[in-house]
Amino acid sequence: KNEVEQSPQNLTAQEGEFITINCSYSVGISALHWLQQHPGGGIVSLFMLSSGKKKHGRLIATINIQEKHSSLHITASHPRDSAVYICAALFQGAQKLVFGQGTRLTINP
Amino acid sequence: SQTIHQWPATLVQPVGSPLSLECTVEGTSNPNLYWYRQAAGRGLQLLFYSVGIGQISSEVPQNLSASRPQDRQFILSSKKLLLSDSGFYLCAWSNIGGGFGTDTQYFGPGTRLTVL
Repeated sequence: KNEVEQSPQNLTAQEGEFITINCSYSVGISALHWLQQHPGGGIVSLFMLSSGKKKHGRLIATINIQEKHSSLHITASHPRDSAVYICAALFQGAQKLVFGQGTRLTINP
Repeated sequence: SQTIHQWPATLVQPVGSPLSLECTVEGTSNPNLYWYRQAAGRGLQLLFYSVGIGQISSEVPQNLSASRPQDRQFILSSKKLLLSDSGFYLCAWSNIGGGFGTDTQYFGPGTRLTVL
């Protein structure tokens, strides 16, 4: 069964801390997406990756194909990073994304 | 640049009433279009996707339907709303080609639907 699990479900940290959000999936994938959902509901695509590592500003996404695991890191976290972070996988042979439940991140000043 | 619009932003409807949500995309041609629903406390669920005018694929059997009357217009409808239809509805687009999920998806602002 094609499944995506994220951890933790909720994460609270202080401004400046290094943040890691994890995503595990059940079988082989063609692509993995990281999305950010703002408190108002709007969703922004952060990364799409199938191997290795991508970096954009303070955000870094990595994926380990052998371990079926991806991580999203935020360096020097800021209260404006507070949002729900969602990972979604396109499993091999499938034609739709399977979404994780999301990780609610709160950064306190 | 490409933009995606959804309306209305919020909607409160009684059970049994009809529904029509509209999504339009600007600045691109022949996009893949998607309707997602996010129920309270749950993850995103793909409802429908479309690769072209009049071509709709349904992922979840339910009382909702979708139509694509024009290349960059995607409509979500229902003849009779149920309480369980409440949620946050998101439209998204991606470039065609390469298969779904292998290209970045761009999301609209969403419509928050409450069925009473």
